[in-house]
Amino acid sequence: GEDVEQSLFLSVREGDSSVINCTYTDSSSTYLYWYKQEPGAGLQLLTYIFSNMDMKQDQRLTVLLNKKDKHLSLRIADTQTGDSAIYFCAERSSGSARQLTFGSGTQLTVLP
Amino acid sequence: GAGVSQTPSNKVTEKGKYVELRCDPISGHTALYWYRQSLGQGPEFLIYFQGTGAADDSGLPNDRFFAVRPEGSVSTLKIQRTERGDSAVYLCASSRSAGDNEQFFGPGTRLTVL
Repeated sequence: GEDVEQSLFLSVREGDSSVINCTYTDSSSTYLYWYKQEPGAGLQLLTYIFSNMDMKQDQRLTVLLNKKDKHLSLRIADTQTGDSAIYFCAERSSGSARQLTFGSGTQLTVLP
Repeated sequence: GAGVSQTPSNKVTEKGKYVELRCDPISGHTALYWYRQSLGQGPEFLIYFQGTGAADDSGLPNDRFFAVRPEGSVSTLKIQRTERGDSAVYLCASSRSAGDNEQFFGPGTRLTVL
């Protein structure tokens, strides 16, 4: 079945860039997503990328996709304390399946 | 407009009891999804509805779990004979249609089975 892997923790200094990495196994993935989850809150969709793209930029967020290596990354520029949260990578397969398969999440801690 | 809402926000029950968890999707969204998130894990798919029908229930762990969406809007996830291992946050998401790329999540219901 599909599998999505992420490193568990990342710490950065305020103002630095953060890079959160994700690998997935399903070669038929059509869309790849980044969600943010703050304590006690639901999942907030940050951005997503179609599998025929290799980069997408949205304000401070840059998503890079290496389809050959099945590697996805999320770069947050000028990281702020409000960016501290758990970030989930997710993929959606082609075909009739509509559900998302999530990684275990990366806890981002932004230090002052 | 309002986002996805879920009630209750917290539910504590005893082993063996029956529980119902409710999801109100974004108005006009025809696709609705249930996921379960255990501590320290990402959400795992349970079931998805397109309109009133369950289009894919392959993620339901066993026959104690059942979900309905009788009028194509509100959905209820029902768990019979709850077990301690059912303790988790149950998340609901909706999208404009099944083919839409964006799923919007509710805040979840934290279920604790004692």
